[in-house]
This record gives sequence, C-alpha cells and structure tokens, in this order.
Amino acid sequence: GAVVSQHPSRVICKSGTSVKIECRSLDFQATTMFWYRQFPKQSLMLMATSNEGSKATYEQGVEKDKFLINHASLTLSTLTVTSAHPEDSSFYICSGSSNDETQYFGPGTRLLVL
Amino acid sequence: AQSVTQLGSHVSVSEGALVLLRCNYSSSVPPYLFWYVQYPNQGLQLLLKYTSAATLVKGINGFEAEFKKSETSFHLTKPSAHMSDAAEYFCAVSAGAGGTSYGKLTFGQGTILTVHP
Repeated sequence: GAVVSQHPSRVICKSGTSVKIECRSLDFQATTMFWYRQFPKQSLMLMATSNEGSKATYEQGVEKDKFLINHASLTLSTLTVTSAHPEDSSFYICSGSSNDETQYFGPGTRLLVL
Repeated sequence: AQSVTQLGSHVSVSEGALVLLRCNYSSSVPPYLFWYVQYPNQGLQLLLKYTSAATLVKGINGFEAEFKKSETSFHLTKPSAHMSDAAEYFCAVSAGAGGTSYGKLTFGQGTILTVHP
C-alpha cells in the first residue's frame, strides 16, 4: 500500500515554456502533499507543502508565482513550473501523507529545460 | 527547528559484512525519525521509522535502527550486506505530534552505500 505516482517521469522543454507535473496517491487519501527538488548528488529540498483544498505553503526562497501548486483533491496535486529556465532543471519529487506522520514518495520527475 | 547530519557521504562494504550508516539529529521537540532508500533515478522508499514507541525499530530488507536520545543518534544497521543494498540512504527528522513542524521532513545529505562482491 501507500503508492504515489508521478507523471511524466521525465520531460524536456524549451526555455520560457511551462511544465505541469502530476502527483497522485493511488491507494490512500493524501491530506497533505509535499513537493521537493533534488539536484545531482544532493539531498532533497522541500519546496512547498499543500493541504487539500487550501493554498500551498512555500519554503523560504521558493517563488510561489513560478512554482504553482494545486491540490484539488485528496489524491492529486500538481506542480506547474512557469516560464521554465535552464536553472529549473532538476529532479522533482512529490510525497503524500494521510496522517502527517509518514510521507510516501513518488518516483520523481526529471525536468530538463533547454 | 530540526537538522540531520549523516556521517560519511560514502560507505563501502563487502557482501555479507555489517552495514552501519550513521545519523545524528538535532530537534527542539521530541522527533520522529526516518530512514529512506533511493535507487538511481527513483523516488524514496521508506525503510523504517521511529515515532516514540520502541527505540529499536525494524524495517524492510533486514534493516534496523536504534533511537538513542542521549546520543541524539539514529544509526541504520544491517547484519549482512547484499549486493541489492547498494543505493543512497537518507536519514530524515520531523517534529513529533504537537510540534509546529509536524509532518515536515528535514533530510540529511545522504550516504551512498557500495557493496563489493
């Protein structure tokens, strides 16, 4: 149980375009979802926390207008990288939690901005 | 606030040898502690967690960890390494129930485990 999926698994886009990443909890209701980014050979950095039906809470230094997060249902959250630039290239990982105690992670989405 | 330090960015062991991955934490409130494993180009898989019950926690794939409050440690061990254990391991801490950061994970820098035949 506790499976989280992400789509797409990898995406290449041109600079200036927007990219949407979906995160789904497949067998549980994720009242809270988290979005992380991971640079090569580095740890995960929390970008934002979202609760179903409310606005996401962004970590310091993360631009909320650039990284739009929507958590419209208990099984789906989306991250949209707007006007992507090469420096946004990274591995984006989401996680879901049903009780705020344990997070279950998706397989990640590798974004490459050309 | 919480922080995690993983001692040793790389650990190399022989197949069949003991695995010991070190994790020390800092937390202003009673912590919850987690170990996750990440295989290349994949997300994180939960190995085990401590949430204020038994201090010796057993997880999947033969791993276990012991919470030692006096040492602020949560080291991960496995008696006998297998080739399939080669991966990157992350220790993480969150505030326990009632903490203002309840549910938010702070990760260590990760330890890459290499297993030699």
